[in-house]
Amino acid sequence: EPEVTQTPSHQVTQMGQEVILRCVPISNHLYFYWYRQILGQKVEFLVSFYNNEISEKSEIFDDQFSVERPDGSNFTLKIRSTKLEDSAMYFCASRDRVNIQYFGAGTRLSVL
Amino acid sequence: ELKVEQNPLFLSMQEGKNYTIYCNYSTTSDRLYWYRQDPGKSLESLFVLLSNGAVKQEGRLMASLDTKARLSTLHITAAVHDLSATYFCAQDGATNKLIFGTGTLLAVQP
Repeated sequence: EPEVTQTPSHQVTQMGQEVILRCVPISNHLYFYWYRQILGQKVEFLVSFYNNEISEKSEIFDDQFSVERPDGSNFTLKIRSTKLEDSAMYFCASRDRVNIQYFGAGTRLSVL
Repeated sequence: ELKVEQNPLFLSMQEGKNYTIYCNYSTTSDRLYWYRQDPGKSLESLFVLLSNGAVKQEGRLMASLDTKARLSTLHITAAVHDLSATYFCAQDGATNKLIFGTGTLLAVQP
């Protein structure tokens, strides 16, 4: 069964460093998303992406964040200069034609 | 502002009992989703409810949607330990981003 895959599963970084979180969406999906979940809290929308451009972004998605689809399969989230409060689980999702979003297993980002 | 509220936040129940999780939403979009999350894991899609009066069932879980009341319920019948997880309802806005509720942590005790 097709699935969304995310790498790495856990990323530890120092404050101020850049990180890139990677996702491979389901191959015939056209809409891609990033969400984050701070430990013990609800899942929050970060950004949606369609046709090689951002279609919507939240207030959380400031200038430190960027997304890219560098080739036909990968979808990446970059955080340029990580802060302690960026520590969270980051989920990638892709959406099918009946609007169901399928989530990857997530990347746990720990900023020290 | 889109709001999705769930209650209760935490539910401890004994095996064999029935209970209901409630999800209230504020928008006019009437697509409602239920997801399950096991600790440290991803979100698994359980149900998609698309219209008023929609009811879907899978095993011991049944979800329903009342668009007039802007309310969805997730009913658990004869709970078993394997159902222990966090359950999220979510609604999608006009741009299809998902707005999640706070989640309900369900703990089924033997």
